[in-house]
Amino acid sequence: SAVISQKPSRDICQRGTSLTIQCQVDSQVTMMFWYRQQPGQSLTLIATANQGSEATYESGFVIDKFPISRPNLTFSTLTVSNMSPEDSSIYLCSVSLAGATGEQYFGPGTRLTVT
Amino acid sequence: GENVEQHPSTLSVQEGDSAVIKCTYSDSASNYFPWYKQELGKGPQLIIDIRSNVGEKKDQRIAVTLNKTAKHFSLHITETQPEDSAVYFCAVNTGFQKLVFGTGTRLLVSP
Repeated sequence: SAVISQKPSRDICQRGTSLTIQCQVDSQVTMMFWYRQQPGQSLTLIATANQGSEATYESGFVIDKFPISRPNLTFSTLTVSNMSPEDSSIYLCSVSLAGATGEQYFGPGTRLTVT
Repeated sequence: GENVEQHPSTLSVQEGDSAVIKCTYSDSASNYFPWYKQELGKGPQLIIDIRSNVGEKKDQRIAVTLNKTAKHFSLHITETQPEDSAVYFCAVNTGFQKLVFGTGTRLLVSP
């Protein structure tokens, strides 16, 4: 497995502002992903963070709202832009170590509340 | 796209009983089926997984069974303990290493 950390662990933000969430892994990984988990709900994939290139977004998520960076094999950031109360969620990064059907390991999550 | 249904949404058992959670999926090409446990305030933890070339896998008190023909797989927890109380998610792979998650099952184990 891998040790994954996220910063911040939680935050309360005002409507219209932006928050950048960091994800750090203790070893080089092949794939990094960002998920959203709305209160009491399941996990929904936002995008795949590609090292050195633009992220691949899932249907319903756009780069202008959720810009993602992955400058190297152990670090990624997700920004939640122009926030509204509907963005209040837990944001999770995950990593995959193996091949095409590799296991995914999750970070502890960032709990975001937008007021 | 892939559709994953998970049942039940909540499950209450007495300590020592067994618990079974079932998931069904739609894409016959899926070949990796993990289960995650999420405790309050934490990220999901991978507890067991199974691949399509295997029908059953066990790890101490937990086991997963897969029926590819019927497109369903189940998590079995025996001799449940209060610390098993959590939300459990099944998932199915789709596309290149992507996972689609079930809706979750809240398991409550009463002493």
